[in-house]
Order: sequence, then structure tokens, then C-alpha cells
Amino acid sequence: DAGITQSPRHKVTETGTPVTLRCHQTENHRYMYWYRQDPGHGLRLIHYSYGVKDTDKGEVSDGYSVSRSKTEDFLLTLESATSSQTSVYFCAISDIGGGLETQYFGPGTRLLVL
Amino acid sequence: KNQVEQSPQSLIILEGKNCTLQCNYTVSPFSNLRWYKQDTGRGPVSLTIMTFSENTKSNGRYTATLDADTKQSSLHITASQLSDSASYICVVRSGDDKIIFGKGTRLHILP
Repeated sequence: DAGITQSPRHKVTETGTPVTLRCHQTENHRYMYWYRQDPGHGLRLIHYSYGVKDTDKGEVSDGYSVSRSKTEDFLLTLESATSSQTSVYFCAISDIGGGLETQYFGPGTRLLVL
Repeated sequence: KNQVEQSPQSLIILEGKNCTLQCNYTVSPFSNLRWYKQDTGRGPVSLTIMTFSENTKSNGRYTATLDADTKQSSLHITASQLSDSASYICVVRSGDDKIIFGKGTRLHILP
């Protein structure tokens, strides 16, 4: 998985609790992305980062926040988890961004919100 | 509205047979189209990428075609193997840098 790890790989939590997912890369790539994958939908972009402390919203950012204090780490936080946030979350990285970039995906985190 | 539609939703074939997966898109302006393979429980892995001027791209037993006029792409798998069992995702990038993912085709290879 191109030097990308996600933690935890599985998590069960209760509605209303905060949850933080971590993406860690060893490739020194500038761009990092968080997606969610749900049945009946294609992958959808939550947030992305184009450098340390530089982040922006994707198409489904409501209820999520991100932080990137180091090149290698990109954190996704669900401030108050809801059942609609039950999903599989994928982190991706790329070195050039835009155009012909290749995004390399992590193994995913399966989150269940009860 | 930018959309990527894939067909069929799922497909079952016998090992050794060929198959073709379809992708139709309405993304405009078009930049490029990529096919990903996603094994169960893993993240997607890029197979091919094609720009407007390319109409065929191969990667081993995988051959992708693109018809930019009709906004259609196909992924042909030759002599299928059990390891080809996976979801195949068509992804189109627009000229203004939006990435639109298809829902994928789930392919099952039977021995």
C-alpha cells in the first residue's frame, strides 16, 4: 500500500462520541486526501491537504475536521459521530496533485457508529 | 451534472474467460480517465490512465479503451485469473480538477 498506514483499522463507537482516524505516510508526498466509501456510492472526498497546515474541504466535509501538523500525518476527526458516518474511510497520497497525479490509497478504516 | 456510470454492477465469469467492463461519463471539461482495481478489504490501486488523445492503454492482461467523442471507456480483461476477482472503479478527472468516482463493477472469477 505504497507506504501508507491507517489506524485504527476497525473501530466501533457510539453516537455523539469524538473519533480520530490517523493516516501516516513514509513517502514524503505533499498531497493527502480523506475519502469515504459507502455501498451505492463511489468514493467521496471529505477533506484534502496540499501541505503542512494547508487543508481544504471536499464534497462531503460536514461533520468532519482535519489537521496536518507534519508531512507524514493527516488526521480526520469526527467531532460528534453519527450513524450516517458509519463507513469505510480511505486515506490517499500523491506527490504532484492535479492533472495526471496518481493517488495511492491506504488499506482503509472500517468505522461503525452505533 | 458530472457523473460516471459503470456497468454491469456485478459480473461472474469462469477462470480463463475474457470480460469487458463499461464506463460512461458526462464529465466536462474532460481531463483524464483512470481505472482502479480494488481487492476486498484493500484500497484501490491504479491500473491505467488515459488522456483525451489516447484511445487504448494496456497493463498486462488489462486493456482500457477510451472514446472521448461518445464519452465511453471500457476495461477488457483477457484470460481471467482468480486474482482478478475484485471491484473495478472508473474515475474521471475534470479539467477544473474535480475527481468523480464511479460506483464500480464487482467481478467474480469462478474456478
